Amino acid sequence: GESVGLHLPTLSVQEGDNSIINCAYSNSASDYFIWYKQESGKGPQFIIDIRSNMDKRQGQRVTVLLNKTVKHLSLQIAATQPGDSAVYFCAENPTSGTYKYIFGTGTRLKVLA
Amino acid sequence: DTGVSQDPRHKITKRGQNVTFRCDPISEHNRLYWYRQTLGQGPEFLTYFQNEAQLEKSRLLSDRFSAERPKGSFSTLEIQRTEQGDSAMYLCASSRQGNGYTFGSGTRLTVV
Repeated sequence: GESVGLHLPTLSVQEGDNSIINCAYSNSASDYFIWYKQESGKGPQFIIDIRSNMDKRQGQRVTVLLNKTVKHLSLQIAATQPGDSAVYFCAENPTSGTYKYIFGTGTRLKVLA
Repeated sequence: DTGVSQDPRHKITKRGQNVTFRCDPISEHNRLYWYRQTLGQGPEFLTYFQNEAQLEKSRLLSDRFSAERPKGSFSTLEIQRTEQGDSAMYLCASSRQGNGYTFGSGTRLTVV
């Protein structure tokens, strides 16, 4: 299969450990943020989203934290599994109502057995 | 209807040729988006439709690119007189208004 993100920042974690992936976004007016997971040869897959009136949202094994003061977003994955290995992108919606997203450059997560 | 479908998955074309890609969104989704992704980068917005209306186009979408969604269902993206710089993954996504996207698996274009 083809490779996504050949020269991306890489985070290597041991299976079972928690992972934290960080993202700095660009537009202070952005009101909606999403994390996507992309495996090689596939399109991005929605993981979790958060609106700007929240600072934390939890899903199954994942938590997104939003710090609007410093325009920072993070994705925490609990008990990381081999299937979590992928490239992770954050995306922001800078224009309310259009859902036209600006994606970050991505982080590759490698899970070590 | 299990997701967003894109066809073809891969396309190799010679420089100067025209290519057309198709996207079938999730049936109840009224919004459809096209993005382009090059290796090592996040997807970049190209254009989006609400029903059959094309509401916004990126400046990345030169006059060699055209997208249509004639009946508010499937969409096509055509690139005329392809250039090597057009080589990329072309991603389609759909959504219901107010919700996050569902992406297709993309069409990988290689211009030789």
